[in-house]
Amino acid sequence: DAGITQSPRYKITETGRQVTLMCHQTWSHSYMFWYRQDLGHGLRLIYYSAAADITDKGEVPDGYVVSRSKTENFPLTLESATRSQTSVYFCASSPDRGQGYTFGSGTRLTVV
Amino acid sequence: AQTVTQSQPEMSVQEAETVTLSCTYDTSESDYYLFWYKQPPSRQMILVIRQEAYKQQNATENRFSVNFQKAAKSFSLKISDSQLGDAAMYFCAYRSLSEYGNKLVFGAGTILRVKS
Repeated sequence: DAGITQSPRYKITETGRQVTLMCHQTWSHSYMFWYRQDLGHGLRLIYYSAAADITDKGEVPDGYVVSRSKTENFPLTLESATRSQTSVYFCASSPDRGQGYTFGSGTRLTVV
Repeated sequence: AQTVTQSQPEMSVQEAETVTLSCTYDTSESDYYLFWYKQPPSRQMILVIRQEAYKQQNATENRFSVNFQKAAKSFSLKISDSQLGDAAMYFCAYRSLSEYGNKLVFGAGTILRVKS
């Protein structure tokens, strides 16, 4: 099915572990984004990508790494998870500048 | 950098009545897009409505309409004939057309409760 899928939907991990959140879109959208959602902060941009092999930091990039070797995939890695990274993570994609995003269903990550 | 402010953390409306959610933004740009997103308890983000800044006409989508005041940098969402399914968190968002990456900047959100 066409769309944008995130996995896993829920994840519990321990402090210090490496965690990778997956994001896959089937539209070949140029733009892809990772946001985190925390109460009182709305959605804050972690990283974004305008095309394959092009990634840039957003508002809150510390502790995260991304890659985009293929247009359709945009994984987000927490190199050494901390409790402050407990959050809901959203991946999104967009075909061009004037469009809204289409969001994945989100990953709820808990770091214990 | 652009900022988006939603001054109402929470709003309530009676079923079948009308409610307006407020949003203001700060920008020095003349061309941009504005959006309202709905996030129900399922946490899925759903695009409700989009407004292009160069268009004076306010966007409408069925029961949803906006009041776009460019000079005042205001972008409110009106929901008419409110339904129980409208209960959700609503986010206002701004998208630059000139800034690299053309990222969406979100407000903190407004929780809308619908009473039967």
